[in-house]
Amino acid sequence: KAGVTQTPRYLIKTRGQQVTLSCSPISGHRSVSWYQQTPGQGLQFLFEYFSETQRNKGNFPGRFSGRQFSNSRSEMNVSTLELGDSALYLCATGRKGNTGELFFGEGSRLTVL
Amino acid sequence: ELKVEQNPLFLSMQEGKNYTIYCNYSTTSDRLYWYRQDPGKSLESLFVLLSNGAVKQEGRLMASLDTKARLSTLHITAAVHDLSATYFCAGTGTASKLTFGTGTRLQVTL
Repeated sequence: KAGVTQTPRYLIKTRGQQVTLSCSPISGHRSVSWYQQTPGQGLQFLFEYFSETQRNKGNFPGRFSGRQFSNSRSEMNVSTLELGDSALYLCATGRKGNTGELFFGEGSRLTVL
Repeated sequence: ELKVEQNPLFLSMQEGKNYTIYCNYSTTSDRLYWYRQDPGKSLESLFVLLSNGAVKQEGRLMASLDTKARLSTLHITAAVHDLSATYFCAGTGTASKLTFGTGTRLQVTL
């Protein structure tokens, strides 16, 4: 069974640029949530999508946005990148939003120079 | 808003010893998760605890949940080097948003 696939795995951007990250969930999983992991702040929730609708949003500025497509794949976008956006971005998928196990992808490691 | 505290933050233990990681949370949580993370890697799901008194075991790891005390524990029995990693607990306040603890970095030495 294929796992959660995140692309790209690594990327380097400069301040002011924008970036789009992709997450393909495990087949049958309709819930996709995104997390940011940094050494200073730990793991923080960004947002969650279920059936193309954003159901929950964390405390991040509007520069962080996301969407989910009809095939449950999700993308997140960060505009006007700042140095502090350097992080590992992880997505997690599950069968239903509020029950059971959540599986994480390998993450996209973003470095902002 | 749910807050999750883990302790200790760092744990160095000898092979063969037993130890427990503690996870306290501040408000009601529908479920409690434990994850393992190796350096530079993603999060590996270990356990999902759904109800008060739940106990789950996998190999040398055993997790339990006491919803009245708002406490979950991850007990390590006879540690081996392969268990060296960072362990996170996470609770769910609302919906499926996970609130993570700070993590416990476990180092098992020979």
